[in-house]
Amino acid sequence: GAGVSQTPSNKVTEKGKYVELRCDPISGHTALYWYRQSLGQGPEFLIYFQGTGAADDSGLPNDRFFAVRPEGSVSTLKIQRTERGDSAVYLCASSLNRNNEQFFGPGTRLTVL
Amino acid sequence: AQKVTQAQTEISVVEKEDVTLDCVYETRDTTYYLFWYKQPPSGELVFLIRRNSFDEQNEISGRYSWNFQKSTSSFNFTITASQVVDSAVYFCALSEADTDKLIFGTGTRLQVFP
Repeated sequence: GAGVSQTPSNKVTEKGKYVELRCDPISGHTALYWYRQSLGQGPEFLIYFQGTGAADDSGLPNDRFFAVRPEGSVSTLKIQRTERGDSAVYLCASSLNRNNEQFFGPGTRLTVL
Repeated sequence: AQKVTQAQTEISVVEKEDVTLDCVYETRDTTYYLFWYKQPPSGELVFLIRRNSFDEQNEISGRYSWNFQKSTSSFNFTITASQVVDSAVYFCALSEADTDKLIFGTGTRLQVFP
């Protein structure tokens, strides 16, 4: 079946702009996660949804970052007033339920100029 | 606090050699999960294995094997008879039962030369 998909694959924006990154999880997976990976580093946790609600948003770096999952499927990560330090690959993962293996999408490479 | 340490930044081997990637973790929880992921040059993270803290049996899957030792807080990964296609960055990760988020190590870049 289809894996996790993310759009766009690449996003270039200017400092101060607003961006939205989309994640479409594997069908039937109730848990959805966002991570951020900088060059040469492991992915860092941002936020986790169980169904429609954010179960853990402790990884969001500041209030410029926000994510939603209104119908318990597709999720959107929103970044306001982007900064050059936000440049990274944003990864989405989904799992059947809590504590199961997480399957990752291909990521969105965000570049803030 | 949760932490995963992959001390080997980069390993280079010649095809058909065996190679072991080390992973040491820290957690205060008694229930936790350990994972290995592969990130090939294409960039997409590929799930390899998940192991819970109550199952210390070693696991073998083809050329891959994993050694979980709670006494040393280690979860090492061995590739037998390495192949060029094994070249990738390998990440070890930990999640605690009540948090669910993955804590990744910094990864080990494996290069297999023909």
